[in-house]
Amino acid sequence: DADVTQTPRNRITKTGKRIMLECSQTKGHDRMYWYRQDPGLGLRLIYYSFDVKDINKGEISDGYSVSRQAQAKFSLSLESAIPNQTALYFCATSNRQGWSDTQYFGPGTRLTVL
Amino acid sequence: GNSVTQMEGPVTLSEEAFLTINCTYTATGYPSLFWYVQYPGEGLQLLLKATKADDKGSNKGFEATYRKETTSFHLEKGSVQVSDSAVYFCALSDLGATDSWGKFQFGAGTQVVVTP
Repeated sequence: DADVTQTPRNRITKTGKRIMLECSQTKGHDRMYWYRQDPGLGLRLIYYSFDVKDINKGEISDGYSVSRQAQAKFSLSLESAIPNQTALYFCATSNRQGWSDTQYFGPGTRLTVL
Repeated sequence: GNSVTQMEGPVTLSEEAFLTINCTYTATGYPSLFWYVQYPGEGLQLLLKATKADDKGSNKGFEATYRKETTSFHLEKGSVQVSDSAVYFCALSDLGATDSWGKFQFGAGTQVVVTP
């Protein structure tokens, strides 16, 4: 079974709709992240969380919100979806080993906003 | 702030050719460096990493050496296969930097296309 899972894998929605993307992990990591990927722009950080009570904005948090329901679950919401939020969304987790921190990614959610 | 710059793609080459993807970085602390690979329709997978200067990361025939003097972490493979066609991302994590602690910086990605 995959260590980091995302649901749904694909979603098509309309402008103005509220959408929630879910991420679950079985790696036991404290840190979780949400990124979006757009062609030619690489990955951009939306939100991140270092533990259940810690939520931080990334570089492109406007129009998004998150919820860390448990150590293993981190959800991303689009309160009112707009077409330029069409992208590939990735959840990631990380663990710290000394001075090194490695990220592990889910399979992604392809979101299309019409 | 910290940043990663990698060569633009697409890089197109024939099977068994030598692959190099350049990556340079700027960092204020003591970064760890990574290469991730994304195969079509999939998420990013860790390919290799290096945590200190002069370390060499290697996996699946790919190698990269952490060069602090040139702030580089170039990815190389001596003989590519069609199955190596993917997008490759260079990344850094700088746990020694207060303003970017716990966050990764990714390059824009380099698409590699290997033809038979």
